[in-house]
Amino acid sequence: SAVISQKPSRDICQRGTSLTIQCQVDSQVTMMFWYRQQPGQSLTLIATANQGSEATYESGFVIDKFPISRPNLTFSTLTVSNMSPEDSSIYLCITDGTYGYTFGSGTRLTVV
Amino acid sequence: DQQVKQNSPSLSVQEGRISILNCDYTNSMFDYFLWYKKYPAEGPTFLISISSIKDKNEDGRFTVFLNKSAKHLSLHIVPSQPGDSAVYFCAASASGNTPLVFGKGTRLSVIA
Repeated sequence: SAVISQKPSRDICQRGTSLTIQCQVDSQVTMMFWYRQQPGQSLTLIATANQGSEATYESGFVIDKFPISRPNLTFSTLTVSNMSPEDSSIYLCITDGTYGYTFGSGTRLTVV
Repeated sequence: DQQVKQNSPSLSVQEGRISILNCDYTNSMFDYFLWYKKYPAEGPTFLISISSIKDKNEDGRFTVFLNKSAKHLSLHIVPSQPGDSAVYFCAASASGNTPLVFGKGTRLSVIA
């Protein structure tokens, strides 16, 4: 199966700042999905990133708050902008490739 | 509308006994299912998956059963170990590069 390197694994950020999370895959994958898991909740889909096109955002998530880049088939970034304590969550990328779904290791974000 | 449901928020099992975690889904287009587990303060870890062409998949102590007519799947852990204590999420997707839809999770406690 594919292997995803997700960075950073964790960070503590000041409110009002932005954090960019990146996922690097060791093989080409068509779809990259970005999820958020707030404390005590399940994973919620933020957006779907397809190479060469703008990401598709789910209801309740907007591009200004969560801009996504997908410059090629092996890499994607999610930025959490103008952070508030409510953005404290685990952020996770998941890819869908030849060998099924592959999970990133997650980014634990704490906003203070 | 919750398409993937885990109706038991928690489960407590004695070490050495069987743990059975249940999951129901409503979308008949779902044809791929997986379980993952999450320890506190860590990212989720893929556990086991099953496609709709099968009704059982086994990997060591973990077995997933799929009942398509009932739209139900279950995860069996035998024998249960204290290290299995975690939150278990089931997820489902339809074919064709679609995102996973996750349940809310079941917290398993294995008591020594």
